[in-house]
Amino acid sequence: KQEVTQIPAALSVPEGENLVLNCSFTDSAIYNLQWFRQDPGKGLTSLLLIQSSQREQTSGRLNASLDKSSGRSTLYIAASQPGDSATYLCAPATGNKLTFGGGTRVLVKP
Amino acid sequence: SAVISQKPSRDICQRGTSLTIQCQVDSQVTMMFWYRQQPGQSLTLIATANQGSEATYESGFVIDKFPISRPNLTFSTLTVSNMSPEDSSIYLCSVEEGQGPYEQYFGPGTRLTVT
Repeated sequence: KQEVTQIPAALSVPEGENLVLNCSFTDSAIYNLQWFRQDPGKGLTSLLLIQSSQREQTSGRLNASLDKSSGRSTLYIAASQPGDSATYLCAPATGNKLTFGGGTRVLVKP
Repeated sequence: SAVISQKPSRDICQRGTSLTIQCQVDSQVTMMFWYRQQPGQSLTLIATANQGSEATYESGFVIDKFPISRPNLTFSTLTVSNMSPEDSSIYLCSVEEGQGPYEQYFGPGTRLTVT
């Protein structure tokens, strides 16, 4: 059974700092991995999808890396802004089933 | 990406009653999923719903408690039956899109409170 851990559970940084969010998973036989953002009381917004054959995926200020063999993914957010404040969730896919980590709650202070 | 809507957005229900949540997609999709997010927790998959077949439930979830319908390629419903306070959660539907890799997109969720 896939288990997903996200560290840290919470993070508070001043505006402009780079963010590093870590995700580890126990079953490396994944199809792909998605990173999501969730604002309080809202649904999920897909940020990035990394295929199992990829090492890295970039979208604007976001960069996600994947080391499938060691069961790790990292989401980097450059030059953080207060609007980046949210909970970030990683979800590796086994077949079409996503398993979610507990999330990292991010607060970017102006 | 697909645009997904859910109704109701929130509801407060009495224990012992049932609530049906609707999920509507603006395009035809094969796979639809229902998730539960309990307070302070992450998301857990309830079931996978394909059009024209019975839903496939994850361990710990049963059809009598969470019956699902999937009448066509753009619509699904999840019913939470005989509710108790422990069913208070956000319920989210998602769809899978793409030719491969398959990316999942989520609806805005239904916040359910059972008193």
